Amino acid sequence: EVQLLESGGGLVQPGGSLRLSCAASGFTFSSYDMSWVRQAPGKGLQWVSTISGRGGNTHYADSVKGRFTISRDNSMNTLFLQMNSLRDEDTAEFYCAKGHGPGGFGYYMDVWGRGTTVTVSS
Amino acid sequence: EIVLTQSPATLSLSPGERATLSCRASQSVSSYLAWYQQKPGQAPRLLIYESSNRGTGIPARFSGSGSGTDFTLTISSLEPEDFAVYYCQQRSNWPLTFGGGTKVEIK
Repeated sequence: EVQLLESGGGLVQPGGSLRLSCAASGFTFSSYDMSWVRQAPGKGLQWVSTISGRGGNTHYADSVKGRFTISRDNSMNTLFLQMNSLRDEDTAEFYCAKGHGPGGFGYYMDVWGRGTTVTVSS
Repeated sequence: EIVLTQSPATLSLSPGERATLSCRASQSVSSYLAWYQQKPGQAPRLLIYESSNRGTGIPARFSGSGSGTDFTLTISSLEPEDFAVYYCQQRSNWPLTFGGGTKVEIK
């Protein structure tokens, strides 16, 4: 069974840092693009970042560019999101998601984790 | 950035009725559009990709259509478990973007 399990969320002060992790199982992790998507309380979905299967290509939303870094360890089947200079508006549920297939299909998300909550507040 | 506008914001229907949801893009996305369903407290689920292809295990009552800037998700006959929020998402250009969502509620 394909599974994704996020961890690392929590309460952090503005300007602080957090590192999210997403442990993957049930599929060949290195063959798929992986993404982070967030959802502020009561709001819609917002794409955050995507990384290619081998990690060589990354993309970011403008709102997080320069503050967040996506990475992956294919030997450990784990996706990461390093979040620095956190702001109040980063408060959200963060989901990791698996790409749907090769090529551009990888930019659709066909398996999602249950999410981890990030709260930025003083 | 490509803006996706979903309408209506809320759709009030009864079980068994047909639901028609719209997603309009601010510029052409070709057929590079997906639809997701999200229920309260749950992660989203991929329903449709590339405008009209159903995801794995998605029932045939869900169908997608459209190309360019105008897209439609149709649920042919609503089941009780279909009452949820639906989002569209484009992969044509970076950044990837989602629409604001349509809530399908029980009338």
